[in-house]
Amino acid sequence: QSVLTQPPSASGTPGQGVTISCSGGRYNLGSNYVYWYQKLPGTAPKLLIQRNDQPRSGVPDRFSGSKSGTSASLAISGLRSEDEAEYYCAAWDDSVSGVVFGGGTKLTVL
Amino acid sequence: QLQLQESGPGLLRPSETLSLTCTVSAGSISGDSYYWGWIRQPPGKGLEWIGSIDYHGNTYYNSSLRSRVTMSVDTSQNQYSVKLKSVTAADTAVYYCARHFLRHSGYYEDAFDIWGQGTMVTVSS
Repeated sequence: QSVLTQPPSASGTPGQGVTISCSGGRYNLGSNYVYWYQKLPGTAPKLLIQRNDQPRSGVPDRFSGSKSGTSASLAISGLRSEDEAEYYCAAWDDSVSGVVFGGGTKLTVL
Repeated sequence: QLQLQESGPGLLRPSETLSLTCTVSAGSISGDSYYWGWIRQPPGKGLEWIGSIDYHGNTYYNSSLRSRVTMSVDTSQNQYSVKLKSVTAADTAVYYCARHFLRHSGYYEDAFDIWGQGTMVTVSS
C-alpha cells in the first residue's frame, strides 16, 4: 500500500478533461512539494509537473498541477490519445527521510 | 544532453545479490544539489524508490529496503551503483537510474528529472 493514494484508473474521451488526485499526509504533501510523472508503456517515467504546479519545459500546457494541504491534483485538458499512460505523484516524506510515490493512475483515452 | 545507462545481470537466483551500475555521460556526476537515484517497477505494479546517493557518498535509502541496500559512487568513472542482497522473486522489476534533484529550502524539492531507459532484472530459480 502506497503512502500517497491515487485512484487506480481514470478515463476520458478525446477533447475532454480529466483530473487525477493524490492524497497524502502532513509529512509528505503537507510539508513538501509534489511532483507528477508520466509513464508510457515500455518507456522510462518522464517528469511532467514540478514544485506542485510548474510544468516542466516542453510539457504541453494542457497539463497542470495544484496542491492544497495534504492533497494534490493533476489536470489534463483536451485529452489526446497519446496521453494514455500511467501517472504517478511523488513527494519527499520527512517521517522516513525519503521519496514516496503514489500507486499510480492508469489513464485510458476512450 | 546528460544521459544515464543502467547495466548489470538480468537474471539472478534467489538469495543472490543484485548489483547494478549506472553510467552518466555527457555531464558530470559531481554536482551540488544533485543526488543520483534508483527506482524500480515490479511487473504490474507501481514505482518504488530504492535510494539516492550524492557524489560525496551521502545516501538516503527506502526504509523498507535499508537492511538489504548499499549504494556507492565512483566519480572517476562517472558511475554509481546499487547492491541489493538476498533477493527474492519480489525483487523482480525494471530498475531505473535517475538524476535526483534534491534540495531543502523550507520545503524539500526533489525531482527525478533525467532517467535511464531501465533494465529488467528477474529473480528465479
